[in-house]
Amino acid sequence: GAGVSQTPSNKVTEKGKYVELRCDPISGHTALYWYRQSLGQGPEFLIYFQGTGAADDSGLPNDRFFAVRPEGSVSTLKIQRTERGDSAVYLCASSATDRADTQYFGPGTRLTVL
Amino acid sequence: AQKITQTQPGMFVQEKEAVTLDCTYDTSDPSYGLFWYKQPSSGEMIFLIYQGSYDQQNATEGRYSLNFQKARKSANLVISASQLGDSAMYFCAMREAYQGAQKLVFGQGTRLTINP
Repeated sequence: GAGVSQTPSNKVTEKGKYVELRCDPISGHTALYWYRQSLGQGPEFLIYFQGTGAADDSGLPNDRFFAVRPEGSVSTLKIQRTERGDSAVYLCASSATDRADTQYFGPGTRLTVL
Repeated sequence: AQKITQTQPGMFVQEKEAVTLDCTYDTSDPSYGLFWYKQPSSGEMIFLIYQGSYDQQNATEGRYSLNFQKARKSANLVISASQLGDSAMYFCAMREAYQGAQKLVFGQGTRLTINP
């Protein structure tokens, strides 16, 4: 497909477990973003990659959250020792360059921590 | 302080009418971008329209237009001839250029319901 894809679409896990969420950006897009959207809220920024490096990780809530983009394309958001408060929709977006203004979003991964 | 304020939690409009969704923003950066996204019940954020702070004219995209009033720091979205498929959450967002920041800051959203 031509758009941003995210897998899985839904993830249910137990408190304390480790989860990985995957994002596949639009082909050729160099910038990739992760956001978190809690119920009834707008998305909140987590981290931004330009190429393989995290250019801004100021939105990561704590050190249980980590993200990588080893080859400058697919990105994985990793959450250790999940807590019930981590339940949210995790959205990924990409843009053509870091100077391009429009970010295009994927369908999101709904994470539920029981 | 809220950077993006959307004061209408919900709006109800009759089909084929025009609707204006309000958005005000707060920034001291002279260079910024304003966006509107639509989020249907399926959850995906769909880009609608963009306005740059230095753009002289209001942005338009089909039935969408952005009423940009820089001095008032408002960027209202106008949807003309509303359709049932326009029912969704609508989010206003801002990107600041300060220190190379690339993140979008979103408002709380407005839930728009189009009645037949």
